[in-house]
Amino acid sequence: QKEVEQNSGPLSVPEGAIASLNCTYSDRGSQSFFWYRQYSGKSPELIMFIYSNGDKEDGRFTAQLNKASQYVSLLIRDSQPSDSATYLCAVMLGGTASKLTFGTGTRLQVTL
Amino acid sequence: DVKVTQSSRYLVKRTGEKVFLECVQDMDHENMFWYRQDPGLGLRLIYFSYDVKMKEKGDIPEGYSVSREKKERFSLILESASTNQTSMYLCASSPGTGNSEQYFGPGTRLTVT
Repeated sequence: QKEVEQNSGPLSVPEGAIASLNCTYSDRGSQSFFWYRQYSGKSPELIMFIYSNGDKEDGRFTAQLNKASQYVSLLIRDSQPSDSATYLCAVMLGGTASKLTFGTGTRLQVTL
Repeated sequence: DVKVTQSSRYLVKRTGEKVFLECVQDMDHENMFWYRQDPGLGLRLIYFSYDVKMKEKGDIPEGYSVSREKKERFSLILESASTNQTSMYLCASSPGTGNSEQYFGPGTRLTVT
């Protein structure tokens, strides 16, 4: 089992809809969770991070963490074509201070 | 804003050459990281550093070495480049001391022929 897993997609949503991206992780001791956006040919860009259980909202983006079920989600409201990118989930696994383990990413396509 | 810069966006080297990739961050971050990214394999950690002159092996250190002589600068060295080291190389930094969010540089696409 991979330590951080994401569905590779593509996930296709119409413009204006909510895109829901999911990430599961294997280590119950994981402390911190991060979402990055990566456009083709570019480097990953940090969108948001979450340390505790519950939701965190930043503009159109919401991160949801469920520690009991060991998954973290990213919701993108009012999806725009400019949101089309690969979204990487990263987890600071227990006992790996400051190191992040990345999933392989989910490709999101927002269609007109 | 955090700024992480890398010495080259594109680099073409020959097999057997010694290759230096440089990374500089301007936010006084404690931690710096080198990754490579390949299609289908995601981001893989090569080396990281928690402090000046400190280095730790990541998941795939073979064929690479690093140097951190100053806090803001972290260099990745390919001692003898091989074709299987053709990849996108990404440098990142994070503040440290409980703040582990990483910020990436623009990347260097290295081709070894």
